[in-house]
Amino acid sequence: DAKTTQPDSMESTEGETVHLPCSHATISGNEYIYWYRQVPLQGPEYVTHGLQQNTTNSMAFLAIASDRKSSTLILTHVSLRDAAVYHCILRVAWTGNTRKLIFGLGTTLQVQP
Amino acid sequence: EAAVTQSPRSKVAVTGGKVTLSCHQTNNHDYMYWYRQDTGHGLRLIHYSYVADSTEKGDIPDGYKASRPSQENFSLILELASLSQTAVYFCASSQQGFTEVFFGKGTRLTVV
Repeated sequence: DAKTTQPDSMESTEGETVHLPCSHATISGNEYIYWYRQVPLQGPEYVTHGLQQNTTNSMAFLAIASDRKSSTLILTHVSLRDAAVYHCILRVAWTGNTRKLIFGLGTTLQVQP
Repeated sequence: EAAVTQSPRSKVAVTGGKVTLSCHQTNNHDYMYWYRQDTGHGLRLIHYSYVADSTEKGDIPDGYKASRPSQENFSLILELASLSQTAVYFCASSQQGFTEVFFGKGTRLTVV
């Protein structure tokens, strides 16, 4: 299965901008890059996704390298509520019309006051 | 708002016993999924379903069965629970060709 590689953990301070990197060197042309975040005792929550172009929404900015082998999730003005495990995931075609998400271990983001 | 509800939220089961984890979605989604999460592993897909009365195997189906009696409900069944099945289980739903998968809050299962 397609894989992603992320740092185990990162630290930030409230108000800063955080860049969360992800490597997906074996990504195929039709595989989307997804980011989810997860806090303790909760399920993963959708953050954003993209295929080739950079994308932005109210939660984050996703920068995708031109060769698609890496991406970076950028969180601006982080707060304590942004502390979570951030999963960089590939959505891959599977059997028939089914798509599935391939999870890695994620990056634990710690935010200090 | 999209909602996936799991029950129970936590459970202790004895080795060799039968366990049923339930999931209900109000999203009107065709696809439903069961994942497990363990320390040191990402979420792994156990079973999924794209239509009522039909289930499909995921990446790690051994030791698990699934049941989809209606579009809204999807159950995960451990006929003979084992210690290795101690984990947190997540149910999720999506539309075909999804943009977003919605996850429940998880069920923490401890097998003793």
